[in-house]
Amino acid sequence: DAGVIQSPRHEVTEMGQEVTLRCKPISGHNSLFWYRQTMMRGLELLIYFNNNVPIDDSGMPEDRFSAKMPNASFSTLKIQPSEPRDSAVYFCASSSIMNEQFFGPGTRLTVL
Amino acid sequence: QQQVKQSPQSLIVQKGGISIINCAYENTAFDYFPWYQQFPGKGPALLIAIRPDVSEKKEGRFTISFNKSAKQFSLHIMDSQPGDSATYFCAASKRSNYQLIWGAGTKLIIKP
Repeated sequence: DAGVIQSPRHEVTEMGQEVTLRCKPISGHNSLFWYRQTMMRGLELLIYFNNNVPIDDSGMPEDRFSAKMPNASFSTLKIQPSEPRDSAVYFCASSSIMNEQFFGPGTRLTVL
Repeated sequence: QQQVKQSPQSLIVQKGGISIINCAYENTAFDYFPWYQQFPGKGPALLIAIRPDVSEKKEGRFTISFNKSAKQFSLHIMDSQPGDSATYFCAASKRSNYQLIWGAGTKLIIKP
């Protein structure tokens, strides 16, 4: 298996623009997580899906953030409009019933 | 009660020494305690994990010690090597819930 795949790996955009981050989880995994990592705040869970259904989105910072999982092999995290304080590394992770979370390589987002 | 407190924030150890990172939790319902290792530019990866039915688990140079009564667990890295330099995260979860509660991370530097 290729592991968790994220795209793009790097994204530079201007304030006010829409940003869409993509994730393909490991085949067979039924849970998917979106995290944000910054120096100041560490690793923050944004949203968690189980069997394609959002279970906990309490970590989503505000309404500018939205996430979807239309099927078991694809998820998106969208920021609209983006702001400089959204600059961070965004990770997608997936897991099966064994609890271990497998992380993707991350998307480094810079909002100018 | 959902927090996991990790210390120290950073740690410098000489090559060949023992690195020790500590975590404490409050929620007695937690029953899965993993440690993740993150190298710069990469996503976190599972290093070793323990469940509360054992007090210690060893995998190579890495050992988790678990103290259920004190609600503490720690990672010991024996014969620390420069290649162990990374950020280490402890976490905790309940068997029935795939969501991990993360510690703040420890940046470990092994001096050659």
